[in-house]
Amino acid sequence: AQSVAQPEDQVNVAEGNPLTVKCTYSVSGNPYLFWYVQYPNRGLQFLLKYITGDNLVKGSYGFEAEFNKSQTSFHLKKPSALVSDSALYFCAVSGYNDYKLSFGAGTTVTVRA
Amino acid sequence: ETGVTQSPTHLIKTRGQQVTLRCSSQSGHNTVSWYQQALGQGPQFIFQYYREEENGRGNFPPRFSGLQFPNYSSELNVNALELDDSALYLCASSLAQGDNEQFFGPGTRLTVL
Repeated sequence: AQSVAQPEDQVNVAEGNPLTVKCTYSVSGNPYLFWYVQYPNRGLQFLLKYITGDNLVKGSYGFEAEFNKSQTSFHLKKPSALVSDSALYFCAVSGYNDYKLSFGAGTTVTVRA
Repeated sequence: ETGVTQSPTHLIKTRGQQVTLRCSSQSGHNTVSWYQQALGQGPQFIFQYYREEENGRGNFPPRFSGLQFPNYSSELNVNALELDDSALYLCASSLAQGDNEQFFGPGTRLTVL
């Protein structure tokens, strides 16, 4: 069975400071890892994915994520957070050629001005 | 390129009723997945359709059923609604079976009274 854990329900940072949202995963075989963002009353917007290759993945809106196989982690990062980054962030995992995404419970990010 | 669309946006039903939710896939995508997102939780996989056949199913009872049409649009049907079925229902399309990158629609908010 595959699963994702997002250990923090909430992350609060000041605008301009670095933002990190944590994610650990469990899956058989090589993982496919994703980050999505959700704004209130909206669907999920894709941020970035890791399939293979470089451990540092760059995505939309200045976000990046680092894949760490030994720690089974895929933390989302942004060097300088904006107030507009305030949203709900989901990490998801899938196995190779799998048909479903398994999501974490989500982390609410609040960036204060 | 047209994104994933869902209808209706909001829906209120009473316990025991039946509901049909609709989804139009992103142009060129032949695979559609449905997810249930209860309040305060991450999306949970319901099932996936590929070329009009169910391709995989999550831990949901048979009263959750679906259809995919030749134009790759899809329906989610829920019979004998229960209060716990109240959730945001998300449709996601992907380019091919086993393609892990899924593009999500805005969702349908179902409230069961």
